[in-house]
Amino acid sequence: DTAVSQTPKYLVTQMGNDKSIKCEQNLGHDTMYWYKQDSKKFLKIMFSYNNKELIINETVPNRFSPKSPDKAHLNLHINSLELGDSAVYFCASSQDGDSLLHGYTFGSGTRLTVV
Amino acid sequence: AQSVAQPEDQVNVAEGNPLTVKCTYSVSGNPYLFWYVQYPNRGLQFLLKYITGDNLVKGSYGFEAEFNKSQTSFHLKKPSALVSDSALYFCAAYWGDSWGKLQFGAGTQVVVTP
Repeated sequence: DTAVSQTPKYLVTQMGNDKSIKCEQNLGHDTMYWYKQDSKKFLKIMFSYNNKELIINETVPNRFSPKSPDKAHLNLHINSLELGDSAVYFCASSQDGDSLLHGYTFGSGTRLTVV
Repeated sequence: AQSVAQPEDQVNVAEGNPLTVKCTYSVSGNPYLFWYVQYPNRGLQFLLKYITGDNLVKGSYGFEAEFNKSQTSFHLKKPSALVSDSALYFCAAYWGDSWGKLQFGAGTQVVVTP
């Protein structure tokens, strides 16, 4: 009955590899997000989708490609991983992206380590 | 530019003492304001929000926050801190001009000592 679930929780991979992180929410929310939390714990938005449509693309390298097959899922694919991609990636969802009266519900995060 | 500031990297407080975590936001419109807490190796959990109305809002785990428009602040408070309140706290704001985009502060680490 987890509201926003991300898989995997931990991901260790070598430079140059391609990897995906999956996110699913069962809250019936219309909008989903990807945030990156760097080593200093700073949170920065990467993407948002509303009903499968890309809304925000926050100057993220082209190596990052989000995909939303339906409004309950938002996956993140990363090509040619670099050391600087090491971070914790959080998925979140919101009931109402345009008014955000209820804020976000976050997943538990995926810790990506590139070696 | 719109921004959220948390001026303290860390707040240390003894258990049982009052806890305050500061947050200010840039002057531009009337943002919605939120507080989230992050425990180690966990996602962010919602604590409380201010949308409109009473300047004092109450939230989860005994936390409250006071909205002050003249000082553009939204400080988080707890009258009596617990060791279990030790965590990373984030203030966030939504200005409504970029669909759903929450702007987060840098976070404040709270350490409550027994």
